[in-house]
Amino acid sequence: GAVVSQHPSWVICKSGTSVKIECRSLDFQATTMFWYRQFPKQSLMLMATSNEGSKATYEQGVEKDKFLINHASLTLSTLTVTSAHPEDSSFYICSAVTGGSTGELFFGEGSRLTVL
Amino acid sequence: GESVGLHLPTLSVQEGDNSIINCAYSNSASDYFIWYKQESGKGPQFIIDIRSNMDKRQGQRVTVLLNKTVKHLSLQIAATQPGDSAVYFCAEITGGGNKLTFGTGTQLKVEL
Repeated sequence: GAVVSQHPSWVICKSGTSVKIECRSLDFQATTMFWYRQFPKQSLMLMATSNEGSKATYEQGVEKDKFLINHASLTLSTLTVTSAHPEDSSFYICSAVTGGSTGELFFGEGSRLTVL
Repeated sequence: GESVGLHLPTLSVQEGDNSIINCAYSNSASDYFIWYKQESGKGPQFIIDIRSNMDKRQGQRVTVLLNKTVKHLSLQIAATQPGDSAVYFCAEITGGGNKLTFGTGTQLKVEL
């Protein structure tokens, strides 16, 4: 199947700093990517839909100024957690869709963020 | 279905037994359902899917059953193996596209 890569797979940062997580589709182009957040022992919560060349669509309750999403190319979407705080510590997972918004969906391996 | 849970239900089975993992969804308009397996520290892995015009679909060692009347989905794993130990999530899509809503999840533990 298609491969979606996330980088870094884990990151530790100090409170108040910003952290960027990358999501790449390695062997296909993805006009649509999704970002999820997962706390320990909980389900995946959709944060936003990332659309290539346009602004991301955020889910209700997700702060767009806190979680900046940039989908500048057909193979890369980035999530930047700005001014991170300990409560932002979580597992962030992206998924990418092949061939447009109704294609197949593949998940990345996730990025674990720990904010000290 | 609702996607937030405070804890994961756990299902413990003996190796070789069959496992049945259940999921209730709340949106009667959902038309596509997927089961995912998630191992610790990894992203979700596709297992099997089913569309709302079907009530059963079989894969290799797995079967998904859909009961739209009671909005219930189940995943059956035959001859459960230690490698099946993971968290299993159902997910639903409403109205096309790829926007998934995940269920609470179930932790499957396979005992030797």
